Amino acid sequence: DIQMTQSPSSLSASVGDRVTITCRASQGIRSDLGWYQQRPGKAPKCLMYAASSLQRGVPSRFSGSGSGTEFTLTISSLQPEDFATYYCLQHNSYPITFGQGTRLEIK
Amino acid sequence: EVQLVESGGGLVQPGGSLRLSCAASGFTFSRYTMNWVRQAPGKGLEWISYISGNSVTIYYADSVKGRFTISRDNAKNSLYLQMSSLRADDTAVYYCASDPRQRPFEDHWGQGTLVTVSA
Repeated sequence: DIQMTQSPSSLSASVGDRVTITCRASQGIRSDLGWYQQRPGKAPKCLMYAASSLQRGVPSRFSGSGSGTEFTLTISSLQPEDFATYYCLQHNSYPITFGQGTRLEIK
Repeated sequence: EVQLVESGGGLVQPGGSLRLSCAASGFTFSRYTMNWVRQAPGKGLEWISYISGNSVTIYYADSVKGRFTISRDNAKNSLYLQMSSLRADDTAVYYCASDPRQRPFEDHWGQGTLVTVSA
């Protein structure tokens, strides 16, 4: 199984900050990676697919990069609604695996 | 508008069974591969099962293999998860979700249904 190591596990930041979350795959997964945002009590929502493609309707302050084993999600200027938990997901092979999650909190 | 609506969750005793349903609307369900994903209270997301549009290809996570069965009825636009030999660590919110491999990509999730396994 492909392991996804996500860091940091939690992050405190302020509105307007730039933040970066990283996911590392235990083996190469090409660009078969998505980033998901989950607010408390809600279903996950995809922000990025194919590592760097912005899902429609998602603000352009979100961006993704990487391929192979190293991936990043960047939020260029945090907004109040961005404080949530973020997960990476690899779908290069089954079982699909998620990162452990990054809880983004208000400083 | 695309909608996925899960149902069938509830309280069940250890060793018991439960069948979850996911009703799909607003898209051609038979063309979509689908997944079940769960989330234990306060924990992260765990993928548990996949089914192709024609039900030919099915995958399970090791944690549920042999105990859970995924199926679909394209005529009824419905996805199912039959769960048996339930354990306390199966307690979670269960989501049906579109497949991240689907192209063109579409992101659809149900609202989730809570399964609690407890005596």
